[in-house]
Amino acid sequence: EAQVTQNPRYLITVTGKKLTVTCSQNMNHEYMSWYRQDPGLGLRQIYYSMNVEVTDKGDVPEGYKVSRKEKRNFPLILESPSPNQTSLYFCASSLTSGRWTDTQYFGPGTRLTVL
Amino acid sequence: GEDVEQSLFLSVREGDSSVINCTYTDSSSTYLYWYKQEPGAGLQLLTYIFSNMDMKQDQRLTVLLNKKDKHLSLRIADTQTGDSAIYFCAEIEGGYNKLIFGAGTRLAVHP
Repeated sequence: EAQVTQNPRYLITVTGKKLTVTCSQNMNHEYMSWYRQDPGLGLRQIYYSMNVEVTDKGDVPEGYKVSRKEKRNFPLILESPSPNQTSLYFCASSLTSGRWTDTQYFGPGTRLTVL
Repeated sequence: GEDVEQSLFLSVREGDSSVINCTYTDSSSTYLYWYKQEPGAGLQLLTYIFSNMDMKQDQRLTVLLNKKDKHLSLRIADTQTGDSAIYFCAEIEGGYNKLIFGAGTRLAVHP
């Protein structure tokens, strides 16, 4: 089944404790992206990757890192989480980055709470 | 920068039509999208419309686009309890597959 998976689905952590949220897709998609969803703000893009070893900042990259060593995986790293990073995080992928008709597939989301 | 706005809540009776509205600012947007988010789930693409179209119909869903006013709407006919969800309007920015989302409209369907 074609899908985007994220782990963990729920995470409660404390300020400053490094964490990684994994994202994996099995559709051989080139483009992957991370969004955060906050009430009243919709989804905002954190980072995106157009292919392996190619990543770039989105609208709200501060406090986050990403890597794209393999096509299928795009982990989101919080080196020193802070309470303002408490949010619902979504990973998405699409076949390419340049064709607007390429549907973006979203993962189920990771709800992160930073105390 | 680009902005997408939509009202936050809509309540309708089961069987009635729902109309969710959205305004956007980027006049160069080529595609506009409607996504649905059910509780505890990710986003599911419902439908999209190309900017040279005025209307697109897909079963119970009708999308209307007024490019002059930069206004997009999603009409759901015969709304059912299973339609209860958050609906996001989104536009594409520039030449990349970057989506700019509205805040989402929570649709509540009551008997």
